[in-house]
Amino acid sequence: DVKVTQSSRYLVKRTGEKVFLECVQDMDHENMFWYRQDPGLGLRLIYFSYDVKMKEKGDIPEGYSVSREKKERFSLILESASTNQTSMYLCASSSPTGGFTYEQYFGPGTRLTVT
Amino acid sequence: AQRVTQPEKLLSVFKGAPVELKCNYSYSGSPELFWYVQYSRQRLQLLLRHISRESIKGFTADLNKGETSFHLKKPFAQEEDSAMYYCALRASGTYKYIFGTGTRLKVLA
Repeated sequence: DVKVTQSSRYLVKRTGEKVFLECVQDMDHENMFWYRQDPGLGLRLIYFSYDVKMKEKGDIPEGYSVSREKKERFSLILESASTNQTSMYLCASSSPTGGFTYEQYFGPGTRLTVT
Repeated sequence: AQRVTQPEKLLSVFKGAPVELKCNYSYSGSPELFWYVQYSRQRLQLLLRHISRESIKGFTADLNKGETSFHLKKPFAQEEDSAMYYCALRASGTYKYIFGTGTRLKVLA
């Protein structure tokens, strides 16, 4: 079974703090993703990475950065947390599988509250 | 622009009634379409994909390229089907997904 783990289930931070969200997958997947999940807005892609040290902006990258130093680990960084970044953050990974491609495997999510 | 639209935020049906969750997409090429589901307190997971043409937990979805739709259907809803359902599109040549805004399905006893 693919396992995608996230470092925290719940996190409370203060405005202006630097926040690190960690994601680890154990299936040697090339691709990793960070999403925000908000009611009524669905899943919105923040950043993704298709290889170590490679990254691309998603739809809502402002206020975020990422790091991928090892294939299994993808970190999301909030440089200076703001209240509008209060959300559920989902990490996912994917890889081509046989004739089908790129099923995404999700972590359990980190609910971040910025006060 | 590529877009996935799920017009219903909430769909409530009685147990045993048919269910149809709507999904429309906007994409000029040949997309790959998926349905993902999130049960309460569980992680988001793949339910089915159009290229598999399979039935999972009694759900089916047919890709209608003429109407650019990929509606999810089940003839008889069960209480355990209550969950959040997301339609997603993967454009050819990419590994990114575009997700819809989701539909919460509530199956009433």
